[in-house]
Amino acid sequence: GIQVEQSPPDLILQEGANSTLRCNFSDSVNNLQWFHQNPWGQLINLFYIPSGTKQNGRLSATTVATERYSLLYISSSQTTDSGVYFCAVEAIKAAGNKLTFGGGTRVLVKP
Amino acid sequence: DTGVSQDPRHKITKRGQNVTFRCDPISEHNRLYWYRQTLGQGPEFLTYFQNEAQLEKSRLLSDRFSAERPKGSFSTLEIQRTEQGDSAMYLCASSQNLRGDFSYEQYFGPGTRLTVT
Repeated sequence: GIQVEQSPPDLILQEGANSTLRCNFSDSVNNLQWFHQNPWGQLINLFYIPSGTKQNGRLSATTVATERYSLLYISSSQTTDSGVYFCAVEAIKAAGNKLTFGGGTRVLVKP
Repeated sequence: DTGVSQDPRHKITKRGQNVTFRCDPISEHNRLYWYRQTLGQGPEFLTYFQNEAQLEKSRLLSDRFSAERPKGSFSTLEIQRTEQGDSAMYLCASSQNLRGDFSYEQYFGPGTRLTVT
């Protein structure tokens, strides 16, 4: 099946810093989503971005489908940005619309 | 749009007992998914429904697991004869194709955290 790798696995930031999270995937995809999992376990939708670039406030994402990677940018980080960020993809070859998740990037923003 | 809801949020059970979880999807969504997440890992797909039909099951879904979506609305996930290895967060998601293409954006509920003692 498709492989999804996220880097870095852990990230410690000072409040106000910028950062880039990366997601590499091993095959062509129909769908790519970025999620933020809060300390209570809730997965919050950040972006639905199978290709192109999107921005939402301090967050933006870019997916280059032909090169099989996506980037999530966090600018002017805040303590509330702490948590785990997951990239999830739906492989074109996969039956159904199941998402395959990467291992996540654990982000800690210090005040 | 009240979002995906799950009940209970937490469940502690003894090994060998049966447990059942419920998921209520976003009202107009016709697809419903179950995932399992263990500590420090990303969620893993278990099964999904298109309306009331269960269309795919993962190899992770052993014979002790069964899922239903009887009227194409809410869904239940039952685990029989629970084992300590079943301890995990069970997540439900729903989606609806609004874009006329093959891909569906999924929205997740808060999860049910199961602890088997």
